[in-house]
Amino acid sequence: RKEVEQDPGPFNVPEGATVAFNCTYSNSASQSFFWYRQDCRKEPKLLMSVYSSGNEDGRFTAQLNRASQYISLLIRDSKLSDSATYLCVVKRDTNAGKSTFGDGTTLTVKP
Amino acid sequence: NAGVTQTPKFQVLKTGQSMTLQCAQDMNHNSMYWYRQDPGMGLRLIYYSASEGTTDKGEVPNGYNVSRLNKREFSLRLESAAPSQTSVYFCASSEVWGYGYTFGSGTRLTVV
Repeated sequence: RKEVEQDPGPFNVPEGATVAFNCTYSNSASQSFFWYRQDCRKEPKLLMSVYSSGNEDGRFTAQLNRASQYISLLIRDSKLSDSATYLCVVKRDTNAGKSTFGDGTTLTVKP
Repeated sequence: NAGVTQTPKFQVLKTGQSMTLQCAQDMNHNSMYWYRQDPGMGLRLIYYSASEGTTDKGEVPNGYNVSRLNKREFSLRLESAAPSQTSVYFCASSEVWGYGYTFGSGTRLTVV
């Protein structure tokens, strides 16, 4: 089983829709969580960190469920410019703990 | 505001040739990383340097070597390229180990 798993999609949604992605992780020692966005043929860029209490940044909401070992990303009022691949990243919180990237979920927002 | 600069952006190699991918960051970050990304797959860590003067193997180090030349620069060397090394290579840096990566724009490498 992969340490970090994401539904690859693609998710095809109309503009204005609400869409949610989940990312499950297998290692209960994981402590830090992030969402990155990667546009086609570009580098990944940090979208947001995921805090235990959940956090929101404009139309984006990230949540963490430790009991079920998953994080989620909710996008409200989707824009064409939201079309991208969304990567979740999980890090074990030790000095040597490395970050593991999921394979990504592809979102296409259509007019 | 250069961030992380990788060179070259594109490269075609013949099997058995060698080359070095260059990476430099101007953010005074302590940690630097080399990842590869294959189609439809996530990023896999090749090597990393948690701080200047140290380097360690990641998930897929075979066929690669690295040098942390100074705090700014971290190079990746392919000694004898193989078709399996055809990939997009990303260099990244972070102020703190494992958090808040800034990626370079990538090197698209094809080995024929």
